[in-house]
Amino acid sequence: ETGVTQTPRHLVMGMTNKKSLKCEQHLGHNAMYWYKQSAKKPLELMFVYSLEERVENNSVPSRFSPECPNSSHLFLHLHTLQPEDSALYLCASSQEGQHSSTNYGYTFGSGTRLTVV
Amino acid sequence: LAKTTQPISMDSYEGQEVNITCSHNNIATNDYITWYQQFPSQGPRFIIQGYKTKVTNEVASLFIPADRKSSTLSLPRVSLSDTAVYYCLVGRGNYGGSQGNLIFGKGTKLSVKP
Repeated sequence: ETGVTQTPRHLVMGMTNKKSLKCEQHLGHNAMYWYKQSAKKPLELMFVYSLEERVENNSVPSRFSPECPNSSHLFLHLHTLQPEDSALYLCASSQEGQHSSTNYGYTFGSGTRLTVV
Repeated sequence: LAKTTQPISMDSYEGQEVNITCSHNNIATNDYITWYQQFPSQGPRFIIQGYKTKVTNEVASLFIPADRKSSTLSLPRVSLSDTAVYYCLVGRGNYGGSQGNLIFGKGTKLSVKP
């Protein structure tokens, strides 16, 4: 258990479905991230939230819609996805802007394995 | 953000020391070097972070030369469970400043054989 929990672990959805991925962090961090990892490709940064405000959107299609209601929760709403969107979706959190000897780097969840059929 | 270059894959045997070198010629003054480990179908896990010289923790050592244009992750006496992908990242550290957005490359796939 890393302190970042993602649900569900596995999701199969049709191209016309609407679903949401959930991420919750119990680390007191103030920044959260969505990454996408497709087979044999590097992790791609999708969205960044810092202090609950979206600070980065790396040209992600509008069929992916993030939501960060508070510093502990992050959602990724999915609608009308394509088969090429099948991938492992990873959530991460970090503590920004403070000196700390115990806060290093990003803490990742275990991911949601998404299959679009 | 500084780009990193590391070998695509490495093979080793149980009990050996493994050194994975990463090149980051354009590293900035306030950049830190961070290494992550990733097992299949799991998120990356932080291993070690450093700025210069040598850093050691219970898992690994990180060697950074004076010019900081490269770094070497050293894993002592690897076991089969160390088989994973290892990522070298360079970005703004969180010592009194923003972490910055870490960008992952392809990493080094380490295979440990019995």
